[in-house]
Amino acid sequence: DAKTTQPPSMDCAEGRAANLPCNHSTISGNEYVYWYRQIHSQGPQYIIHGLKNNETNEMASLIITEDRKSSTLILPHATLRDTAVYYCIVNSGGGADGLTFGKGTHLIIQP
Amino acid sequence: DTEVTQTPKHLVMGMTNKKSLKCEQHMGHRAMYWYKQKAKKPPELMFVYSYEKLSINESVPSRFSPECPNSSLLNLHLHALQPEDSALYLCASSQDPGPNQPQHFGDGTRLSIL
Repeated sequence: DAKTTQPPSMDCAEGRAANLPCNHSTISGNEYVYWYRQIHSQGPQYIIHGLKNNETNEMASLIITEDRKSSTLILPHATLRDTAVYYCIVNSGGGADGLTFGKGTHLIIQP
Repeated sequence: DTEVTQTPKHLVMGMTNKKSLKCEQHMGHRAMYWYKQKAKKPPELMFVYSYEKLSINESVPSRFSPECPNSSLLNLHLHALQPEDSALYLCASSQDPGPNQPQHFGDGTRLSIL
């Protein structure tokens, strides 16, 4: 079973920052938080991941709370192409364990 | 654009047919994965190959048979499938089976069983 909880859907206006929350209250010390997204009819796309510290790349920022029980993915300037299902995944065994996807958040960017 | 290439993109087959799905990556990744995704559901892990050896089989029926001929190629052989096996089959790869390695996915093969 997935170890994360996400809202089923969210709306965001184009050009605004999209903030997607994820709860992972049972996370262990060696587990990473990963974010992927899946645009309709495509495979999941890796966005970002982190262990303890906040992370930023060209796509997004990941904010992890100090107790690591929740995190937020931030898309700084959302565009219509960011409409997708966003998955927050906790992964401990490394790639060798595979990923356990939850239901994710369907983010809809409104023009 | 994805660096994991899956062929074919679409496949329609009868329940008595034998077919294969193919996945290739040329990123030097040493871990490769098969996932199954039913409509409006999240992907579910089927198999994991680590350094060309099968390391995880998530209780997948024997009518699905994975094969990893070399470090760049992953096949999924299909035989005597059922209509409920219709789904999107996704392949992924990662640098190695470590905890700090993201997986990169192909766009999948959409399989329909008649």
